[in-house]
Amino acid sequence: AQSVTQLDSQVPVFEEAPVELRCNYSSSVSVYLFWYVQYPNQGLQLLLKYLSGSTLVKGINGFEAEFNKSQTSFHLRKPSVHISDTAEYFCAVSMDGGFKTIFGAGTRLFVKA
Amino acid sequence: EAGVAQSPRYKIIEKRQSVAFWCNPISGHATLYWYQQILGQGPKLLIQFQNNGVVDDSQLPKDRFSAERLKGVDSTLKIQPAKLEDSAVYLCASSRTDTTTGGWGDTQYFGPGTRLTVL
Repeated sequence: AQSVTQLDSQVPVFEEAPVELRCNYSSSVSVYLFWYVQYPNQGLQLLLKYLSGSTLVKGINGFEAEFNKSQTSFHLRKPSVHISDTAEYFCAVSMDGGFKTIFGAGTRLFVKA
Repeated sequence: EAGVAQSPRYKIIEKRQSVAFWCNPISGHATLYWYQQILGQGPKLLIQFQNNGVVDDSQLPKDRFSAERLKGVDSTLKIQPAKLEDSAVYLCASSRTDTTTGGWGDTQYFGPGTRLTVL
């Protein structure tokens, strides 16, 4: 069965510092991988997704993620965060062949001035 | 384009009462999803519709939850009777089916959610 593990429940970081939010998944077949962001009092919105091709995926607001098949990871990175990046970030996976999208438990990013 | 609309935004009920949530997806989106998000957890899929047919409802507690999507557009999710553990945010999402990935690589567009408190 597919599953998603977000290794950090909370990540505090200072403004303009780099950040990495970690995501590991388990699957024995080809996967599609997503990062969604949920700003306070808003719905989830897509940051980026990996479907195929280049393993480095660039998304909105300066975020990027790298698909690593051997390590079954899809970590999210940003070289310099802003206060406005404070939000909850969800990693999600779906698989070819009719399986539902599974979301991780989320990582709360808190950017401090 | 208008986003996914949900109502109500908040609902407080007593246990054993019934409640219904409404969702209007983005125009033209064939797939509609209902998720349950319990505090501190990620969204869990309850039911997924493709047009007005059910694609997956394996995690829907069918003894108390029901959902319908008449005419393949709006959808309602009902809980009857509610239990304390149903307290959560109920999210509706929709997507335009990407035929290159069979729909499984679709971007989902989420509504603001309905926060349900069961006392």
